[in-house]
Amino acid sequence: EIVLTQSPGTLSLSPGERATLSCRASQSVSNNYLAWYKQKPGQTPQLLVYGASNRAAGIPDRFSGSGSGTDFTLTINRLEPEDFAVYYCQQFGSSWTFGQGTKVEMK
Amino acid sequence: QVQLQESGPGLVKPSETLSLTCTVSGASISGTTFYWGWIRQPPGKGLEWLGSVYSSGNPFYNPSLNSRVTISVDTSKNHFSLRLRSVTAADTAVYFCVRHASWFDPWGQGTLVTVSS
Repeated sequence: EIVLTQSPGTLSLSPGERATLSCRASQSVSNNYLAWYKQKPGQTPQLLVYGASNRAAGIPDRFSGSGSGTDFTLTINRLEPEDFAVYYCQQFGSSWTFGQGTKVEMK
Repeated sequence: QVQLQESGPGLVKPSETLSLTCTVSGASISGTTFYWGWIRQPPGKGLEWLGSVYSSGNPFYNPSLNSRVTISVDTSKNHFSLRLRSVTAADTAVYFCVRHASWFDPWGQGTLVTVSS
């Protein structure tokens, strides 16, 4: 089973700043089957990025995903108030696993 | 637009079986190339994939739960189901049903299941 480790655990930033979230896999993620989700308290996770770098429908272009192999990054440019949330990465290999999450909080 | 809706008891006693159903609207489970699965999230914690079933009925389970979980599909009712046996307080969580390929989308709204006597 591939283990995903997200860092940092918490990111304290101000609106308008850039957030850089990391997701590291314990072994190579095949075909870049890596996705990112955003979850606000009491809400369902929302797909942001799939295939490591493809934005899901309706996701603003300030969200971008990159990386390959074992190292992946989600970048959020110009943080908006609604972007403060918990972000999870997820991979598909022989099964599906999630990272433990990164909380982006307002400074 | 595909929509998923979980249903089932919100309270289950320890050692009993948790049973949930996910009803799909806006698409047919059969004849698609998607998986239909379950994910849970304990209060204040992260997401855990439990298992999935292909439209043909072949299931795939999280190895950590393999012996306790069963996922099945009923194409005539366009729904799929989760059964988790021998539950404990650690199984208290919000349970989501999802449609997926390598990524999960869309999600049901989730249903809280509490394990308590």
